[in-house]
Amino acid sequence: SAVISQKPSRDICQRGTSLTIQCQVDSQVTMMFWYRQQPGQSLTLIATANQGSEATYESGFVIDKFPISRPNLTFSTLTVSNMSPEDSSIYLCSVGWQTGELFFGEGSRLTVL
Amino acid sequence: DQQVKQNSPSLSVQEGRISILNCDYTNSMFDYFLWYKKYPAEGPTFLISISSIKDKNEDGRFTVFLNKSAKHLSLHIVPSQPGDSAVYFCAASGRGATNKLIFGTGTLLAVQP
Repeated sequence: SAVISQKPSRDICQRGTSLTIQCQVDSQVTMMFWYRQQPGQSLTLIATANQGSEATYESGFVIDKFPISRPNLTFSTLTVSNMSPEDSSIYLCSVGWQTGELFFGEGSRLTVL
Repeated sequence: DQQVKQNSPSLSVQEGRISILNCDYTNSMFDYFLWYKKYPAEGPTFLISISSIKDKNEDGRFTVFLNKSAKHLSLHIVPSQPGDSAVYFCAASGRGATNKLIFGTGTLLAVQP
């Protein structure tokens, strides 16, 4: 497995602002993903963070709203732009293993007022 | 369309007894299935997985059963311990989509001492 650190662990933000979440992994990994867990709901994949190229977004998620960076094999950021209360969620960074498992960071709990 | 379903939002079991968590899926292209455990304020932790070529996989107190014809899988925990109290998510992925997991909505397991 890998040790995955996310910052911030939680934040309270005002409507209309943006917040960048950082994800640091203790080893080089090929596959990194960003998930969202809205209150009382399941985990939903936002995008695959590709090293050296644009992220691949899932249906319902767009780059303008959730820009992602992946400058190297150990680090990625997710920005939640122009936030509204509907963006209040836990945002989770994960890394993929060749065997198919995902390992997750502790998550970033975002509350938008 | 919820491709992975956990119809029981909660389950309560006595310590020492068996816990059985159930999961149904609709996509016949899924070929890899996983269970995760999630404590509050932490990221999901990988528990156990099973490939579609098997019908059972065991790891200590945890056993996962897969019934492909019924598109159903279950997680058995025996004996259950109070530390097992958490939300359990099942997840699935398909061929050519390694690491892109589709999650169920979760089941909150409470193990009573």
